[in-house]
Amino acid sequence: DAKTTQPTSMDCAEGRAANLPCNHSTISGNEYVYWYRQIHSQGPQYIIHGLKNNETNEMASLIITEDRKSSTLILPHATLRDTAVYYCIVRLHNNDMRFGAGTRLTVKP
Amino acid sequence: DTGVSQDPRHKITKRGQNVTFRCDPISEHNRLYWYRQTLGQGPEFLTYFQNEAQLEKSRLLSDRFSAERPKGSFSTLEIQRTEQGDSAMYLCASSLRGQGSTEAFFGQGTRLTVV
Repeated sequence: DAKTTQPTSMDCAEGRAANLPCNHSTISGNEYVYWYRQIHSQGPQYIIHGLKNNETNEMASLIITEDRKSSTLILPHATLRDTAVYYCIVRLHNNDMRFGAGTRLTVKP
Repeated sequence: DTGVSQDPRHKITKRGQNVTFRCDPISEHNRLYWYRQTLGQGPEFLTYFQNEAQLEKSRLLSDRFSAERPKGSFSTLEIQRTEQGDSAMYLCASSLRGQGSTEAFFGQGTRLTVV
């Protein structure tokens, strides 16, 4: 599976959009981009995934560049409860997931 | 609640003792994964099952570790002769292998402390 690069930490003001970047320059054509988050002392929580097209669900939006070498997770209106570590993962269909260190997002009032 | 349950939530054991953790996946899920997570790190893959077959094991899974999934339902992870370095959160996840990509759902984890 391709490796990913994420910033170590980010801050965001409550109510503003949080934009979390991820680089995956070695992604192959059949690898998906997944995002999970982990709130302190809990198991990782699935957020969203995509292959080529941008995706949106009730939690977030995923923007994947045309060359698929990077993506951005967007939390449109961040709340204090969105403070967590966010993991970007690329993986083949149905393969196990390999986590990096993620981005620690802190939402501030 | 994701539907994946792990037991116990916390375990304190003395060095050298054996411990066993249990994971009950979402009932229709045929894939089950085990991960280990230490403080400040992302989860590290240990092993996964497709039904009852163990398909892949990480090099992290030393010979003191063994995982089973009898009958393709719940799974157990046993650590023999525990060491202080085994102290970590042990996470279980399950997913449904089928057409299209599917997300994995994680349990709350078992936190092991070896003293």
